[in-house]
Amino acid sequence: DAKTTQPPSMDCAEGRAANLPCNHSTISGNEYVYWYRQIHSQGPQYIIHGLKNNETNEMASLIITEDRKSSTLILPHATLRDTAVYYCIVRGYSGAGSYQLTFGKGTKLSVIP
Amino acid sequence: GAGVSQSPSNKVTEKGKDVELRCDPISGHTALYWYRQSLGQGLEFLIYFQGNSAPDKSGLPSDRFSAERTGGSVSTLTIQRTQQEDSAVYLCASSLDRGSYEQYFGPGTRLTVT
Repeated sequence: DAKTTQPPSMDCAEGRAANLPCNHSTISGNEYVYWYRQIHSQGPQYIIHGLKNNETNEMASLIITEDRKSSTLILPHATLRDTAVYYCIVRGYSGAGSYQLTFGKGTKLSVIP
Repeated sequence: GAGVSQSPSNKVTEKGKDVELRCDPISGHTALYWYRQSLGQGLEFLIYFQGNSAPDKSGLPSDRFSAERTGGSVSTLTIQRTQQEDSAVYLCASSLDRGSYEQYFGPGTRLTVT
């Protein structure tokens, strides 16, 4: 599985867009980019995933560069409740077997009032 | 709709006692995972169930840990003869497909072994 690199921390003003970058320069053609977050004292929460096209859902948008070596998670109007650690992971499908998640250190996003 | 639920939310037990942790996955989800997370640490995979297939137990840290999933739905994680190093948050996750990284987590059970 491809390794990802994220900044350890970021601040964002409440109401502004939060743009969280992730580098995954060794990603291979069949690997997807997934984003999760973990709010303090809660279980991880799935946010969004994509292969090569940009994706949007009710929580966020995912922008993947054309070469797929990096991506950006966008929270369009950050609120205090978005303060969490955000994890970018890159995983592929190998057919049989389990698909357990492993997180790196992620980005600690602090939304400032 | 209803998400993944886990019970109890907190469990304090004495060293040497057995504990059972329960997970109710999202209805219709065929895959179920147990993880644990120690304070400030990442996710540690424990066990994976998929339908009626044999579970993937490769993450269980010792033979004191076991899990079962009845009827393809509810799962129970059992820890026998608990040790202080078992103290952690135990998280259950389910996913719709045979195996997917789009997993939905419960709130976890915080286990404290005294």
